[in-house]
Amino acid sequence: DAGVIQSPRHEVTEMGQEVTLRCKPISGHDYLFWYRQTMMRGLELLIYFNNNVPIDDSGMPEDRFSAKMPNASFSTLKIQPSEPRDSAVYFCASTSTGSSYGYTFGSGTRLTVV
Amino acid sequence: AQSVSQHNHHVILSEAASLELGCNYSYGGTVNLFWYVQYPGQHLQLLLKYFSGDPLVKGIKGFEAEFIKSKFSFNLRKPSVQWSDTAEYFCAVNVKRSSNTGKLIFGQGTTLQVKP
Repeated sequence: DAGVIQSPRHEVTEMGQEVTLRCKPISGHDYLFWYRQTMMRGLELLIYFNNNVPIDDSGMPEDRFSAKMPNASFSTLKIQPSEPRDSAVYFCASTSTGSSYGYTFGSGTRLTVV
Repeated sequence: AQSVSQHNHHVILSEAASLELGCNYSYGGTVNLFWYVQYPGQHLQLLLKYFSGDPLVKGIKGFEAEFIKSKFSFNLRKPSVQWSDTAEYFCAVNVKRSSNTGKLIFGQGTTLQVKP
């Protein structure tokens, strides 16, 4: 299994631009999570899906952030418009009910907004 | 709200020293417990997990953790650290509810620096 795949690995964008981060979970996993990691705040859960349905988006910072999961093998996290304070590493993780919720994390996307 | 607290933010040890990282959680029900490790520049990897049974669990690379229900704790230990253990360590808790959401709550992390 290739694991959780995220793209791009690095993204540098200008303030005000739209940014789209992508994630492919492990096949058969029914949960998908988006986390943001910064020095100041550590790991923050932004949103998670179960069977492609958003369950809890209370961690999404504001309306500029949106996430979708159109099918079981793909999810996106979009920031529009981006701001310098959005600079962070964004991790995607997946798990399944049968694994007792041991998450598998992707390699992350390091986002820099200048 | 449930929370996970890691007592030490930054730990510095010499090689061969013993390690213990504290983790406490605030939830009175049944939980699954995890420790994750993040090496510099890498993603989080599962170190060990506890679901039920023997409260002393062994993980990879010589790490172990003990679940003490009465203290709401799940401390991570290693008898003798190596320079390659330099990393950030995260404790995490999954609360077992009837809905069984699968949501993991992470502690703020502990940075371990091992000096050669």
